[in-house]
Amino acid sequence: DSGVTQTPKHLITATGQRVTLRCSPRSGDLSVYWYQQSLDQGLQFLIQYYNGEERAKGNILERFSAQQFPDLHSELNLSSLELGDSALYFCASSPQGSGYEQYFGPGTRLTVT
Amino acid sequence: AQKVTQAQTEISVVEKEDVTLDCVYETRDTTYYLFWYKQPPSGELVFLIRRNSFDEQNEISGRYSWNFQKSTSSFNFTITASQVVDSAVYFCALSEPPGRRALTFGSGTRLQVQP
Repeated sequence: DSGVTQTPKHLITATGQRVTLRCSPRSGDLSVYWYQQSLDQGLQFLIQYYNGEERAKGNILERFSAQQFPDLHSELNLSSLELGDSALYFCASSPQGSGYEQYFGPGTRLTVT
Repeated sequence: AQKVTQAQTEISVVEKEDVTLDCVYETRDTTYYLFWYKQPPSGELVFLIRRNSFDEQNEISGRYSWNFQKSTSSFNFTITASQVVDSAVYFCALSEPPGRRALTFGSGTRLQVQP
């Protein structure tokens, strides 16, 4: 158990809908990262938050957004969902500092039908 | 741009065989970090090791060992006396420059250990 929690574990929804994925980092970790894992794109970085502020953006679509709350949990919002958004979405957290390993949550498997 | 290449898509071995997973990276940074993660069939990503660019010392942890060679930009992972429980997808990753700590992952190597 990495100490990072994600809910829900599975999500099935229809095209055009909006969903919210939730992540709680390990106790004491200020950084939260979101990654998408799909068969065709592999594991891709989406966005990073550090202590409530956006720190870096990766290959995140404009239809996707995220935020980190004062209690450090984070939410990833996916809207106008398309079939191609079906993937495993991981949240990871790391301690402050350069180069620290990231600990991943169990992931949320999103299926868009 | 940073890049991680894991040329071996899938490897199949018989239990107790040794197996090496290759990882080659590209970066223009002088300070960087390399990682290995394991993704078992259950799907979670499990951290295995971190290595920084200034430490070329090889590391051994039980049946696992890692060989970091800066001269060839490689960070290979060897499992000695493989076991069925080692069956998983293994990812090599590279961290980006200070200020942006996101990981760039390779495409992964699927290891199947047959009994």
